[in-house]
Amino acid sequence: EAQVTQNPRYLITVTGKKLTVTCSQNMNHEYMSWYRQDPGLGLRQIYYSMNVEVTDKGDVPEGYKVSRKEKRNFPLILESPSPNQTSLYFCASRPPSGGRSYEQYFGPGTRLTVT
Amino acid sequence: GNSVTQMEGPVTLSEEAFLTINCTYTATGYPSLFWYVQYPGEGLQLLLKATKADDKGSNKGFEATYRKETTSFHLEKGSVQVSDSAVYFCALYSGGTSYGKLTFGQGTILTVHP
Repeated sequence: EAQVTQNPRYLITVTGKKLTVTCSQNMNHEYMSWYRQDPGLGLRQIYYSMNVEVTDKGDVPEGYKVSRKEKRNFPLILESPSPNQTSLYFCASRPPSGGRSYEQYFGPGTRLTVT
Repeated sequence: GNSVTQMEGPVTLSEEAFLTINCTYTATGYPSLFWYVQYPGEGLQLLLKATKADDKGSNKGFEATYRKETTSFHLEKGSVQVSDSAVYFCALYSGGTSYGKLTFGQGTILTVHP
């Protein structure tokens, strides 16, 4: 089954404790991205990657890092989490040459709470 | 920059009622427009899309028409079901320097009662 998976689904942590949220897709998509969802703000892009070893900042990259060493994986790293990073996080991927008919495939989400 | 504005929620309806969720946008060029749906505990799924003016996207009884003159893409359904309860997001993609990025509205929570 074609899908985007994320782990963990739920995470409660404390300020300053480094964490990684994993994302993996089995559709051989080149493009992957991370969004955060906050009430009243919709989804905002954190980082994206156009291919292996190619990443760039989205709209809200502060406090986050990413890496893309393999096509299928795109982990999100919070080196020193803070309470304002409490949010629902989504990983997404899209097929190459999506053009204007542009469907992204989303993972199930990771709910992060930083105390 | 690009932006999407959706009607304020939450929206509460009885089963078989008519649904409209308003969506307007601001974008450079000629964006593609989308409605995504998020069921409880799940990720976002594409509901429908339209890539040029006057296109109508449709799926599962939902429809939306790309109106360039009013910069709108309102979602409609003639008779909602309890299973339609979800969060609905309007989004756009305009390409160019925003390569790959979808711009989302704030989301509208829909609750349908039996």
